[in-house]
Amino acid sequence: NAGVTQTPKFQVLKTGQSMTLQCAQDMNHNSMYWYRQDPGMGLRLIYYSASEGTTDKGEVPNGYNVSRLNKREFSLRLESAAPSQTSVYFCASSVIPGGTEAFFGQGTRLTVV
Amino acid sequence: SQQGEEDPQALSIQEGENATMNCSYKTSINNLQWYRQNSGRGLVHLILIRSNEREKHSGRLRVTLDTSKKSSSLLITASRAADTASYFCATENEGFKTIFGAGTRLFVKA
Repeated sequence: NAGVTQTPKFQVLKTGQSMTLQCAQDMNHNSMYWYRQDPGMGLRLIYYSASEGTTDKGEVPNGYNVSRLNKREFSLRLESAAPSQTSVYFCASSVIPGGTEAFFGQGTRLTVV
Repeated sequence: SQQGEEDPQALSIQEGENATMNCSYKTSINNLQWYRQNSGRGLVHLILIRSNEREKHSGRLRVTLDTSKKSSSLLITASRAADTASYFCATENEGFKTIFGAGTRLFVKA
């Protein structure tokens, strides 16, 4: 089992460019999450999807959009990248929205110049 | 804003010693989880403790939860060089949002 797979692993964008981070899980999990991690900080929740067909804002949703394409896939889109969005992005999934462990992907290191 | 705050921010110990990390949080929680992150990797779940539990063990890990003080501790006994990593507490609030602290960086010297 691959678990949670994120693509790409690394990306450099110019300010104003757009891109989509892809995430897929093969564990038949209902819930999926996008976090960002900045130096010296923990993970901050951007958006989450408690189940297929639903998405909700987390702590830091501004500048991002998400799509729960199907049960397996949850994408994160930056419409107009800004240097403040330079970060490491992690996708995670869990069986149900609460009370269970989350499984994380390996991360996408994004630099916006 | 972050819910959990770990203490200390960094900890350096010798192999074989015990490592204790603390986490404090601000609001009521459903449960609290501890995760480990090796450098440049994703997070790995270690243990989950529910709000009605006071202590939990998993191998060399011992977690306590004091809801009256809004705090938790993670004890790693007989530490090994392979335990070198960052450790994060994560609290789950109403609405199932999981909020992470800034982490404790543990360095175990061989």
